[in-house]
Amino acid sequence: GQQLNQSPQSMFIQEGEDVSMNCTSSSIFNTWLWYKQDPGEGPVLLIALYKAGELTSNGRLTAQFGITRKDSFLNISASIPSDVGIYFCADQIDMRFGAGTRLTVKP
Amino acid sequence: DVKVTQSSRYLVKRTGEKVFLECVQDMDHENMFWYRQDPGLGLRLIYFSYDVKMKEKGDIPEGYSVSREKKERFSLILESASTNQTSMYLCASSLLPYSPLHFGNGTRLTVT
Repeated sequence: GQQLNQSPQSMFIQEGEDVSMNCTSSSIFNTWLWYKQDPGEGPVLLIALYKAGELTSNGRLTAQFGITRKDSFLNISASIPSDVGIYFCADQIDMRFGAGTRLTVKP
Repeated sequence: DVKVTQSSRYLVKRTGEKVFLECVQDMDHENMFWYRQDPGLGLRLIYFSYDVKMKEKGDIPEGYSVSREKKERFSLILESASTNQTSMYLCASSLLPYSPLHFGNGTRLTVT
């Protein structure tokens, strides 16, 4: 099946910094989903993207559906300690997830 | 809010035991899923179900089976637990096919 490659694997940043992570696919996607998993909990949906080129924001989070339909980006602006967790991209059709980006924010 | 409840947060079992992981959702969702989560591998789909009595294999079904006798309950069964099944197991549900998933908080299983 198609593979999702997510990078970076982990990030260590200072509070207040901006964060960027991305996901690429071996094939064309019709949807991209971004989830966040807080420590000790299950993943929760952050943003859903349904159209190539779409740019969607949710507070300090912004995600984009790449024009080639094979990639997506998630940006977090002005990070805060509660942004800590694992961020996953996912394909809604095949229900597959990337390996995740583990974010650590130092106060 | 959708609530997906997994019956145990932590389980310790011995090699060869039969293990049942239970999951219940309270929002009348049609679709339910079982994933395992391992560091560096993300979430991998084990089995899913789009209806009562129906089940489909995911990417890593070997060593697992599932049961869905009622719409709200989806059980994952390890017929004979092995140490390589030590992992975090996550249950999820969704209202429609291809709609976003709602996850439980996971069961961390250790097989010794």
